[in-house]
Amino acid sequence: SAVISQKPSRDICQRGTSLTIQCQVDSQVTMMFWYRQQPGQSLTLIATANQGSEATYESGFVIDKFPISRPNLTFSTLTVSNMSPEDSSIYLCSVEETRNTEAFFGQGTRLTVV
Amino acid sequence: QQPVQSPQAVILREGEDAVINCSSSKALYSVHWYRQKHGEAPVFLMILLKGGEQKGHDKISASFNEKKQQSSLYLTASQLSYSGTYFCGTRTGSARQLTFGSGTQLTVLP
Repeated sequence: SAVISQKPSRDICQRGTSLTIQCQVDSQVTMMFWYRQQPGQSLTLIATANQGSEATYESGFVIDKFPISRPNLTFSTLTVSNMSPEDSSIYLCSVEETRNTEAFFGQGTRLTVV
Repeated sequence: QQPVQSPQAVILREGEDAVINCSSSKALYSVHWYRQKHGEAPVFLMILLKGGEQKGHDKISASFNEKKQQSSLYLTASQLSYSGTYFCGTRTGSARQLTFGSGTQLTVLP
């Protein structure tokens, strides 16, 4: 099983600023994803983080707002840019070895924008 | 497109059984089930693959009807620790990513 360290666990940010969230995995993994979860809601996929190339974004999410880096198979960052109160949410990274195996999740980053 | 889960919420007494359903409008390659407790990350329960068998461990099991594009999670003799929100995650044949259902909030009372 993969162990994921996600930082920070929570933050309160001013509108208009940016926050970078880090996801570190204790083993090399093929697939890494970033999700957003509003309180009491489901998980919405933001993007697939691709190692060595640009991330693949889902409908409604754009690179300028959520730039993602994945320099190697164990690390990724998600930046929430030019934040507004609507960006307040929980952000989770997730990894999977293959399409046939379980997904592991980081503990999440609880972001509040004021 | 997000799979549909039912019911949205269920309240049980310890020892009672529950069934949570997950339905997709698309042909599915696999279905995952996760449980999430408040303030925690989702935790994997099981995965069902197309052409695979019904899965289960302890008192939690699941089935996958490929033709109907549906999966059901069965919780028998529920325990207090079963409380949480259950999500199904579905994957279509060509997709890398999972798409999660809306969730079912399960509460087990003493």
